[in-house]
Amino acid sequence: RKEVEQDPGPFNVPEGATVAFNCTYSNSASQSFFWYRQDCRKEPKLLMSVYSSGNEDGRFTAQLNRASQYISLLIRDSKLSDSATYLCVVTQFYQGGKLIFGQGTELSVKP
Amino acid sequence: EPEVTQTPSHQVTQMGQEVILRCVPISNHLYFYWYRQILGQKVEFLVSFYNNEISEKSEIFDDQFSVERPDGSNFTLKIRSTKLEDSAMYFCASSVGAVNTEAFFGQGTRLTVV
Repeated sequence: RKEVEQDPGPFNVPEGATVAFNCTYSNSASQSFFWYRQDCRKEPKLLMSVYSSGNEDGRFTAQLNRASQYISLLIRDSKLSDSATYLCVVTQFYQGGKLIFGQGTELSVKP
Repeated sequence: EPEVTQTPSHQVTQMGQEVILRCVPISNHLYFYWYRQILGQKVEFLVSFYNNEISEKSEIFDDQFSVERPDGSNFTLKIRSTKLEDSAMYFCASSVGAVNTEAFFGQGTRLTVV
């Protein structure tokens, strides 16, 4: 089983749509959870951390369910500039900050 | 805004040659990492480095790979004898801490082995 598994993409949505990405992780010892964004052939950049209580940053909402080992990202009112690959990322405390990446879900927002 | 810088941006090398990829992490960061991404695949962890030693390495990071922090600012990845399958984007990253802190990535070095 993959350590971090994401919805296969790509997601093609019109501007203004709401889109949700799902992610599951296999190791119950996972400590920290993140969503990163990666534009084509560029470096990953942190979009947001994910907390157990859920957290929101503008149009972006992240949820974590530790019991189900499930993470989600919701993007509301999607913009053309949201087009990118979204990476689900986890770490385990005893692994010195090593980031474990999912394969990514590509989002394409069309006018 | 402080950033992680990597050089070169693109390196072409012949199979069997040694390459050194260079990184300057953010100055007050303590944890340093190398990742790679083969075209069309996911980002994979190679190695983490803290307190002047490797703290963890993946199965990919075999005897052909080594890392060094020679002068307190640069952080290098050396591949001793490159193979075709080493062709990938190599990302350096750094962070202040190991847990619950953002890792900042450099723009990457695209390595092409021919």
